[in-house]
Amino acid sequence: GDSVTQMEGPVTLSEEAFLTINCTYTATGYPSLFWYVQYPGEGLQLLLKATKADDKGSNKGFEATYRKETTSFHLEKGSVQVSDSAVYFCALGTSGGSYIPTFGRGTSLIVHP
Amino acid sequence: EAQVTQNPRYLITVTGKKLTVTCSQNMNHEYMSWYRQDPGLGLRQIYYSMNVEVTDKGDVPEGYKVSRKEKRNFPLILESPSPNQTSLYFCASSLGWQGRSGELFFGEGSRLTVL
Repeated sequence: GDSVTQMEGPVTLSEEAFLTINCTYTATGYPSLFWYVQYPGEGLQLLLKATKADDKGSNKGFEATYRKETTSFHLEKGSVQVSDSAVYFCALGTSGGSYIPTFGRGTSLIVHP
Repeated sequence: EAQVTQNPRYLITVTGKKLTVTCSQNMNHEYMSWYRQDPGLGLRQIYYSMNVEVTDKGDVPEGYKVSRKEKRNFPLILESPSPNQTSLYFCASSLGWQGRSGELFFGEGSRLTVL
């Protein structure tokens, strides 16, 4: 079945450092790919998405490119801020007849001043 | 303001005492779903609904029930809660095709503790 693998956290960085959170997937068909962010005490929010191969999703300085050849959707940001501290989830949209999106286990990011 | 509202946000109960967690959305979304979030396991889908009176099991439906009598509401029912249902629960909604693709709007969560 479909699956999403994210790097384990926590990822701890200093402010203004470069961020990469790795995400790889296995899927049948051609699903959309998503990154969601969960700030402390809140629900998940969509951060960015890509719907087909080579698409780049971007939002709030974060970027991720849908790489079909490597089945990856790595999240990057050039300069993180303390306010980026959160849990980040990579997610695979459904394809074929399934109506159940698949989420990774989440990666906690801690940014120190 | 577009939102998904869950109640209660926090609940402590005892084994076997039936409870209902309500979920309501004001975006006229067809698709609604329930997830539980547990440390190290991420998000797992419990049930989903594609529209009124149309519901189906997710990955972890055991011990839960749902109903969808109105488009805006999708309550989660625990008929006889057990300690292994202690978790953080999220309701999510989406337009039909977006729900299928994975683009979801989440509530703020309901933290349930079963003693």
